[in-house]
Amino acid sequence: QVQLQESGPGLVEPSQTLSLTCTVSGGSLSSGSYYWSWIRQPAGRGLEWIGRIYTSGNTNYNPSLKSRVAMSVDTSKNQFSLKMTSVTAADTAVYYCARHHPTTGFDPWGQGSLVTVSS
Amino acid sequence: QSALTQPASVSGSPGQSITISCTGTNSDVGTYNLVSWYQQHPGKAPKVMIYEGSKRPSGVSNRFSGSKSGNTASLTISGLQAEDEADYYCCSYAGGVTWVFGGGTKLTVL
Repeated sequence: QVQLQESGPGLVEPSQTLSLTCTVSGGSLSSGSYYWSWIRQPAGRGLEWIGRIYTSGNTNYNPSLKSRVAMSVDTSKNQFSLKMTSVTAADTAVYYCARHHPTTGFDPWGQGSLVTVSS
Repeated sequence: QSALTQPASVSGSPGQSITISCTGTNSDVGTYNLVSWYQQHPGKAPKVMIYEGSKRPSGVSNRFSGSKSGNTASLTISGLQAEDEADYYCCSYAGGVTWVFGGGTKLTVL
């Protein structure tokens, strides 16, 4: 079955750019009518949808983060990525990648990657 | 785009039924039948339990059910078991190709 795994630096300095990659295994990014999403969760708090990308490169972002977020996809590596600029301590969270279909929801999810913004 | 409103906590004894509400607006829950529910155990990734408001993915117990009335969606767990103790999140399509989650509800099995 499809599995997702996040990777990237666990520590980012304030005002710098957060970069994460999600590697998909057990299936192809390009198969099915799925979107590929990023979701984050600050410690002890709820989930926040960051945005999604289709294999065509078409993207949709949370309006509250849109000015700082960019997603990309590399079908040859079966990976998709997240970049978030000008980070602050408020961006400290566990970042999840997930496969998404509008009707069946977010499934499956990666195990999550903790990113701490600190100097 | 504001987070959907869920109670911070609910509790119940084994064998009982509990219901978790998820209140949105007529811009999200009230208009679209695209509500999903997620179960999250401590330190783990969320798992989808309900999609399209009331449908269960393969492998999810039929003790979990979903419904909607107006701007409020609900998740009901019947025959409560110790393993159901977790955080639960609702999620809805919010128009403009955006998605919004609820604040989460901590379920305690007494």
